[in-house]
Amino acid sequence: EIVLTQSPATLSLSPGERATLSCRASQSVSSCLAWYQQKPGQAPRLLIYDASNRATGIPPRFSGSGSGTDFTLTISSLEPEDFAVYYCQQRSNWPLTFGGGTKVEIK
Amino acid sequence: EVQLLESGGGLVQPGGSLRVSCAASGFTFSSYAMRWVRQAPGKGLEWVSAISASGGSTYYADSVKGRFTISRDNSKNTLYLQMNSLRVEDTAVYYCAKVLMTAAGTYCSMDVWGKGTTVTVSS
Repeated sequence: EIVLTQSPATLSLSPGERATLSCRASQSVSSCLAWYQQKPGQAPRLLIYDASNRATGIPPRFSGSGSGTDFTLTISSLEPEDFAVYYCQQRSNWPLTFGGGTKVEIK
Repeated sequence: EVQLLESGGGLVQPGGSLRVSCAASGFTFSSYAMRWVRQAPGKGLEWVSAISASGGSTYYADSVKGRFTISRDNSKNTLYLQMNSLRVEDTAVYYCAKVLMTAAGTYCSMDVWGKGTTVTVSS
């Protein structure tokens, strides 16, 4: 099973600041990695697919990079609605796995 | 509008059974693989099961293998998850999700999610 390790667990930032979230895989997942945003009481929302492609309707302040084992989600300037939990997910191999999540909270 | 709507959740005793459903609309359901993902209270996301577009291939997490069965009825645009021998640790919100088929031919991510249905296993 491919283990995805997200860091940090919590990121405390102010609106307008840059957020950098990390996801590290225990073995290569090529570019088969996605990022999701989840707010309390809501379903996850796809942000980034195949490591670096923004999903439909996702604003350009969200960007993804990386391949192999190291991936980054960057939010260039945090908006109030961006404070949420973010998960990475791989489907390079079965079983499909998620990272443990990074909570981006208001400082 | 592309939409997924889960139903069938509820309270069940340990050892019991439950079937949850996911009604799809707004897209050609029979063309897309589908997945179930769950989230225990206060915890992260956990993949449960997946099924190919035709229903011919199915996949399960080790935690549910032998107890849960995924299926689909493409004529009814509906995905199912039959859950048997339920355990307290199966308590979660269960989401169905549509697999994104990219122009590059990858099937890694899920682009449409339902709002979820809550399954509580308790005596």
